[in-house]
Amino acid sequence: NAGVTQTPKFRVLKTGQSMTLLCAQDMNHEYMYWYRQDPGMGLRLIHYSVGEGTTAKGEVPDGYNVSRLKKQNFLLGLESAAPSQTSVYFCASSYSRQGNYGYTFGSGTRLTVV
Amino acid sequence: GIQVEQSPPDLILQEGANSTLRCNFSDSVNNLQWFHQNPWGQLINLFYIPSGTKQNGRLSATTVATERYSLLYISSSQTTDSGVYFCAVDPNFGNEKLTFGTGTRLTIIP
Repeated sequence: NAGVTQTPKFRVLKTGQSMTLLCAQDMNHEYMYWYRQDPGMGLRLIHYSVGEGTTAKGEVPDGYNVSRLKKQNFLLGLESAAPSQTSVYFCASSYSRQGNYGYTFGSGTRLTVV
Repeated sequence: GIQVEQSPPDLILQEGANSTLRCNFSDSVNNLQWFHQNPWGQLINLFYIPSGTKQNGRLSATTVATERYSLLYISSSQTTDSGVYFCAVDPNFGNEKLTFGTGTRLTIIP
């Protein structure tokens, strides 16, 4: 049982390049989330999904897109990377309202945009 | 949106000491969780505790929902307890979109 797996773990992008971060969970969780963590600011929600085929905007969605074509996967895309998107990105998943609400986080992706 | 304040922002303790971390929130909540981020960056869920008291080994947590605060207690601290402790809340039923506080950085000195 791997839990939540994020790939890649590290990446350096040039301004204007695009990339996709992959999050995979094997716990059959309904809900999945993408957060970013910046120094001194805690974690801020980018986008989330309450089920396969659904996505919604969080607190800081600009510059990012997401897709959840399969229940176990949640992809975060940067179409044209900017230095302001330098951050550590965390994916998380959680169960539905009938079950355990506790979040499980992936190990993070450290992204640097130069 | 809901505001989450954690105190103290930094705490340095000797190994073996006890500590209390506080989380205040500005509105009623239906979901409150405590997390530990270790020095390597991994986030671990400690408690799901929208109300009441829970204990897990040396850690315990209490949420007084009517007064809009939660406390995390760490007893007999060990160096492995070092890291940042986050409180996160969600006022809504169902979505479980957590809003995080800025954390308390705990450093345990041998």
